[in-house]
Amino acid sequence: GEDVEQSLFLSVREGDSSVINCTYTDSSSTYLYWYKQEPGAGLQLLTYIFSNMDMKQDQRLTVLLNKKDKHLSLRIADTQTGDSAIYFCAEIYRNRDDKIIFGKGTRLHILP
Amino acid sequence: DAMVIQNPRYQVTQFGKPVTLSCSQTLNHNVMYWYQQKSSQAPKLLFHYYDKDFNNEADTPDNFQSRRPNTSFCFLDIRSPGLGDAAMYLCATSRDRKTGISYNEQFFGPGTRLTVL
Repeated sequence: GEDVEQSLFLSVREGDSSVINCTYTDSSSTYLYWYKQEPGAGLQLLTYIFSNMDMKQDQRLTVLLNKKDKHLSLRIADTQTGDSAIYFCAEIYRNRDDKIIFGKGTRLHILP
Repeated sequence: DAMVIQNPRYQVTQFGKPVTLSCSQTLNHNVMYWYQQKSSQAPKLLFHYYDKDFNNEADTPDNFQSRRPNTSFCFLDIRSPGLGDAAMYLCATSRDRKTGISYNEQFFGPGTRLTVL
């Protein structure tokens, strides 16, 4: 099965909160990441969380980590049209020489 | 601005005709990566260079080769492209492979979309 799993699509109304969920498999991951990919562009690191943290907040972004369930989420408050993108969850896979493993990405669609 | 540049942005090649994609960086990073990304798929790591040290992924086909003549440039050579090799190819860099201390942010280029006719 996939190492990192996330749903492929999410639609949210402008101004509402978006919550993108992810599950991962490597319990020894030290860092977990959220990357953002806008149309025609490469991936850009949006935020990351260290594995000994439960939560990290950065302006409109909140990352929650549940290590027991290997579950990671990204909450975007007050979602704007500029947030429309594909969001990739990723983990460091320590058994593979610190390789970063990406999920398939969640396409966030903003409704007017 | 320091950045990762990929040329060309779009590349069309014929079945079986060798093609080279290029990547350059002004970040002076040690590590350079090549990923293949197909539609609705996760980026798949093909190989990476740590300085001049080449690291191939076990499941990367022999059809894919890479060269890194200096710190700034890295090339992806596809010797005999097949229809299944049509994809977006992403180059990325990071400062250090070992992430025990750093969070190993990877900086991505915009990608080259390869079409195989």
